[in-house]
Amino acid sequence: EPEVTQTPSHQVTQMGQEVILRCVPISNHLYFYWYRQILGQKVEFLVSFYNNEISEKSEIFDDQFSVERPDGSNFTLKIRSTKLEDSAMYFCASRGQTYEQYFGPGTRLTVT
Amino acid sequence: SQKIEQNSEALNIQEGKTATLTCNYTNYSPAYLQWYRQDPGRGPVFLLLIRENEKEKRKERLKVTFDTTLKQSLFHITASQPADSATYLCALGFSGGYNKLIFGAGTRLAVHP
Repeated sequence: EPEVTQTPSHQVTQMGQEVILRCVPISNHLYFYWYRQILGQKVEFLVSFYNNEISEKSEIFDDQFSVERPDGSNFTLKIRSTKLEDSAMYFCASRGQTYEQYFGPGTRLTVT
Repeated sequence: SQKIEQNSEALNIQEGKTATLTCNYTNYSPAYLQWYRQDPGRGPVFLLLIRENEKEKRKERLKVTFDTTLKQSLFHITASQPADSATYLCALGFSGGYNKLIFGAGTRLAVHP
């Protein structure tokens, strides 16, 4: 069964450093999303991406964040200058023509 | 203010019984509602979707109801098994956009043998 994959599974970085989180969505999906989940809290929407552009973003997704689909398979989230409060699980999700979203296993980002 | 509320306390039930989880929302008008399962340290896994014009949906041992007047969804797992132990998330979806999901905090279910 096709699945969303994410790399790395765990990323440790120092405050102020740039990180890139990578995702490979399900191959025939057209809508892509990033969510995050701070430990013990709810899953929060960050950004949606369709037709090679951002379609919606939340207040969390400020100028420090960017997304890209550099080729036909990868979908990336970049945080330019990480802060301590960026520490969280980051989930990529994708969907096809129906509304259910399929989530990856997540990247645990730890900012020290 | 806008809220999605799920039972914050863990639900403990005996194997074989039916688990019922609640999702209430305030000041949202979702076009559909989804239920996901999340295991510790893992991503949410899609279970069921129900649209605003549907009252009930079933899939194997799972049943979900949606009452837009009460602004409530109920999620049932019948003949529960220890393997059903997990956190269950409800998520609201909306028409007219690119279908971001707004999640509740989830309810932890523990099924005891």
